[in-house]
Amino acid sequence: EAGVAQSPRYKIIEKRQSVAFWCNPISGHATLYWYQQILGQGPKLLIQFQNNGVVDDSQLPKDRFSAERLKGVDSTLKIQPAKLEDSAVYLCASSLLGGPRVDTEAFFGQGTRLTVV
Amino acid sequence: GQQLNQSPQSMFIQEGEDVSMNCTSSSIFNTWLWYKQEPGEGPVLLIALYKAGELTSNGRLTAQFGITRKDSFLNISASIPSDVGIYFCAGTGNQFYFGTGTSLTVIP
Repeated sequence: EAGVAQSPRYKIIEKRQSVAFWCNPISGHATLYWYQQILGQGPKLLIQFQNNGVVDDSQLPKDRFSAERLKGVDSTLKIQPAKLEDSAVYLCASSLLGGPRVDTEAFFGQGTRLTVV
Repeated sequence: GQQLNQSPQSMFIQEGEDVSMNCTSSSIFNTWLWYKQEPGEGPVLLIALYKAGELTSNGRLTAQFGITRKDSFLNISASIPSDVGIYFCAGTGNQFYFGTGTSLTVIP
């Protein structure tokens, strides 16, 4: 079974530029998550989708971050404009069960390491 | 957001020793998960726990879901160098929260 695919693996941009990350979840997984992991910390949930609907985006900085999951499969996360403090690894994960209750395992991609200079 | 407190923050042990780490929360969770993350990689699921009091093993790893549903522990027996990494607990209910991580270093 193929895992969660993310691209690119690495990205370096200047502050105030825009950047987009792509995620392809495991086939058949209804729930997709985007996490931000700052160096030395645990992952922080940014947004959770069930199919193509948003379940939770309470910690997404909506003035600069946006995400979509058209057709309920692939997802993109965008930052516009980027700030220095956005430097982090952006992880995508997916899980089988749909609905707001996440009583199942989530599987992670390798992440995209973003450096904002 | 919710914070899961993990302890210890870091561990340096000799190869062959046993390891124990735990995770506590102020909230009740329906599921506890333990992940391992190595440099440059995403977290990899080690063990999933679904019921209060449940004790589950995966090779040399053993984890338990606390009776109060507010805590969990992970034990690693007879550690080996490839156990090196950061171990995260995660609790799920309506959301999915991660702990602060325990960094494990195994000295050959």
